[in-house]
Amino acid sequence: QVQLVESGGGVVQPGRSLRLSCAASGFTFNSYGVHWVRQAPGKGLEWVAVISYDGSNKYYAESVKGRFTISRDNSKNTLYLQMNSLRTEDTAVYYCAREPQVVVLLYYFDYWGQGSLVTVSS
Amino acid sequence: QSALTQPPSASGSPGQSVTISCTGTSSDVGGYRYVSWYQQHPGKAPKLMIYEVSERPSGVPDRFSGSKSGNTASLTVSGLQAEDEADYYCSSYAGGNNLVFGGGTKLTVL
Repeated sequence: QVQLVESGGGVVQPGRSLRLSCAASGFTFNSYGVHWVRQAPGKGLEWVAVISYDGSNKYYAESVKGRFTISRDNSKNTLYLQMNSLRTEDTAVYYCAREPQVVVLLYYFDYWGQGSLVTVSS
Repeated sequence: QSALTQPPSASGSPGQSVTISCTGTSSDVGGYRYVSWYQQHPGKAPKLMIYEVSERPSGVPDRFSGSKSGNTASLTVSGLQAEDEADYYCSSYAGGNNLVFGGGTKLTVL
């Protein structure tokens, strides 16, 4: 069965960096685009970034552009989110989520991970 | 990109129907068929309930339906059941490789 498992969250000071990982299993990881979506405590969902199946295309929300980098290692079936210059407003549960069809980007998600909490606080 | 507008709350009694709206602009909801709806129970990850305006993934009960008129999409839950109580989020492709979500609607089954 399809599984997405995030890790790497924790408490970090403003201005510091953190890298999240999302380990995928149960499907052909190198055929699907994958996204990061976040949810601040008690708030709604916010799209963060997407990477195409082969890593050749990457797109970001304006709120994280220039600070966050999405990447993937298809040999390890793993998605990453490198977060630099973190701000208090980046505090959220970060979910990885899979596109529903191979190759194309349709910008909706059929499988989600359980989420990883990132807290930015001094 | 501004968030899509959803009512903060909605409610209905068991067996009744409830409709949740999601209002955007011609640059997102009105411009594309890539409108989706997600259900989220407390402490859980979101679950896809509707995609491409009105399509239902396998395993989602046919009590859930979606539609769109102009810049407003809607999710209707018919025959409300206790387990339908959750937060519901709409999303829409917004062009330029960008995705926007609604603010969420808390559905209460009375």
